[in-house]
Amino acid sequence: AQTVTQSQPEMSVQEAETVTLSCTYDTSESDYYLFWYKQPPSRQMILVIRQEAYKQQNATENRFSVNFQKAAKSFSLKISDSQLGDAAMYFCAAQGGSEKLVFGKGTKLTVNP
Amino acid sequence: NAGVMQNPRHLVRRRGQEARLRCSPMKGHSHVYWYRQLPEEGLKFMVYLQKENIIDESGMPKERFSAEFPKEGPSILRIQQVVRGDSAAYFCASSPRAGRSSDTQYFGPGTRLTVL
Repeated sequence: AQTVTQSQPEMSVQEAETVTLSCTYDTSESDYYLFWYKQPPSRQMILVIRQEAYKQQNATENRFSVNFQKAAKSFSLKISDSQLGDAAMYFCAAQGGSEKLVFGKGTKLTVNP
Repeated sequence: NAGVMQNPRHLVRRRGQEARLRCSPMKGHSHVYWYRQLPEEGLKFMVYLQKENIIDESGMPKERFSAEFPKEGPSILRIQQVVRGDSAAYFCASSPRAGRSSDTQYFGPGTRLTVL
């Protein structure tokens, strides 16, 4: 079984600054994938970034990057140059051989102008 | 290419009624997943289907809940005799391939079910 833990219920950041959201996971599988999804007030789930566990290189997507520490089972999300539109709930998720996504409880990000 | 579509977006039912939630996957996607999000919680897996097959229903409550994905038409999540505890947002996701957990799941906008 997989578990995903997000220890920060809420975070805030000033516009244009950088923020890091934490995520740890536990899995017994050797082949798995990790994701960050964003859920704005519209409640639509939007994929932010994904990481294949077998890749050592950290994934990046424009202003979003991850710090994947496989041995520590840590998968944090860094948002650079934060924008007002980044304000949302952010969910970390893991996917193994069973195909289903296992989500953390989320971190609410507030961006202050 | 249209995204995952869900309808209705909002559904209100009284206790004891039936709720039917529909999901049309993205074009070319043959795998559908249903998740439930309770207030202030993350999404919880319910069921994984391919056309005419239930692959994994380990997250489905044993009673009152059922899901199908027929050869033609959308996937349906059916909740019989709804109770207040069924009030939640129900999300559908789809992916194109099977066999490896390598395909990103793309989510629909969700159906918010309210049970009075």
